[in-house]
Amino acid sequence: DIQLTQSPSLLSASVGDRVTIACRASQGISTYLAWYQQKPGKAPKLLIYGASTLQNGVPSRFSGSGSGTEFTLAISSLQPEDFATYYCQHFISYPQLTFGGGTKVEIK
Amino acid sequence: QVQLVQSGAEVKKPGASVKVSCKASGYTFTGHHMHWVRLVPGQGLEWLGRVNPNNGGTNIALRFQSRVILTTETSVSTTYMELTRLQSADTAVYYCARDFGAGIAMDYFDLWGQGTLVTVSS
Repeated sequence: DIQLTQSPSLLSASVGDRVTIACRASQGISTYLAWYQQKPGKAPKLLIYGASTLQNGVPSRFSGSGSGTEFTLAISSLQPEDFATYYCQHFISYPQLTFGGGTKVEIK
Repeated sequence: QVQLVQSGAEVKKPGASVKVSCKASGYTFTGHHMHWVRLVPGQGLEWLGRVNPNNGGTNIALRFQSRVILTTETSVSTTYMELTRLQSADTAVYYCARDFGAGIAMDYFDLWGQGTLVTVSS
């Protein structure tokens, strides 16, 4: 199975900060990667797919980059509504779709 | 309104089975594969499998192949996930999630149900 490792697992930041979250794959997955945001008690929300394509309606302060084994989710200026847990997910190794362990972004 | 609405919370004993439903509305039900994902407390998200509502074909994650059954009832635009031989480790929130692709599985998810808490306790 392809494993996804996210770092950090916990990120403390302030409103207005630029933050980045890393996702490393155990083997190359081209750009078959998606990012989700999940708030407590809510379902995950698709942010980015194909490693860098922004889902409709997602603010442009979110961006994704990378290919192969190294990927990054960036938030250019953290807003109060962005405090949440973020997950990466690969979709190359069907039928073994897997998620990263998650990164919780909390208020500093 | 495009949405997925799931059935309510369940409490089950170890060894029992649970069946969760997911009713779709606002889009062509047979046009998108449906996936099931769970969130285990203190852990992350885990993919269980997917079903093609067009023909009922399923693909289940290897570790769940003997315990997860996915079915659809197209007349009521509903997908079902049944998990058998429940253990305490199966306590989680279970989500249905629509595949992004129309007519072809893309294997990422653009529409989610609200989640169903399944608690396994003796």
